[in-house]
Amino acid sequence: SAVISQKPSRDICQRGTSLTIQCQVDSQVTMMFWYRQQPGQSLTLIATANQGSEATYESGFVIDKFPISRPNLTFSTLTVSNMSPEDSSIYLCSVNNPGQGAGYTFGSGTRLTVV
Amino acid sequence: GQNIDQPTEMTATEGAIVQINCTYQTSGFNGLFWYQQHAGEAPTFLSYNVLDGLEEKGRFSSFLSRSKGYSYLLLKELQMKDSASYLCAVPSGNTPLVFGKGTRLSVIA
Repeated sequence: SAVISQKPSRDICQRGTSLTIQCQVDSQVTMMFWYRQQPGQSLTLIATANQGSEATYESGFVIDKFPISRPNLTFSTLTVSNMSPEDSSIYLCSVNNPGQGAGYTFGSGTRLTVV
Repeated sequence: GQNIDQPTEMTATEGAIVQINCTYQTSGFNGLFWYQQHAGEAPTFLSYNVLDGLEEKGRFSSFLSRSKGYSYLLLKELQMKDSASYLCAVPSGNTPLVFGKGTRLSVIA
């Protein structure tokens, strides 16, 4: 299975600022996925990051708020822009391992607190 | 789209067996995943079912009935470390997973 290095693991940020989260994968993958997990909730897909094209956002998420970069097949970033306390969540990146049923691997997550 | 339903919380006793159910509705079935997530950690892959029947993997087993849109995760010989959230998930088409709300399992002595 792929191994993902995600950073930062946690941060406390002031409202109105932005934070960029990075995910590095140890193998080339076509798509990377970004999820948000609000306190006590399950995972909600934010967007799919495609290499060489714009990210595909889910309903309720927009590029201006969550810009995504995907410069190559092993790396992606998610920026949480103009943060408010409602953005306090865990953010996770994920990739689909090759082979049916191999499962999706997740990064270790970024715990964001906005004050 | 996908609609996934599972119980919010369950409590079971150490050494016992617990079954966590998941029902789903999806346009085009491409398998069902179960993940375990301990508090403050990322989800970890437990199982994948694409055909009907029971898949056994040590203390954990997962069952699927495609005609009923139903799956369950069976945990045997429960241990305290099994206290976690268990997430049922189905792929959206060929790609990203859509998760149920998760079942928070508490194992008590």
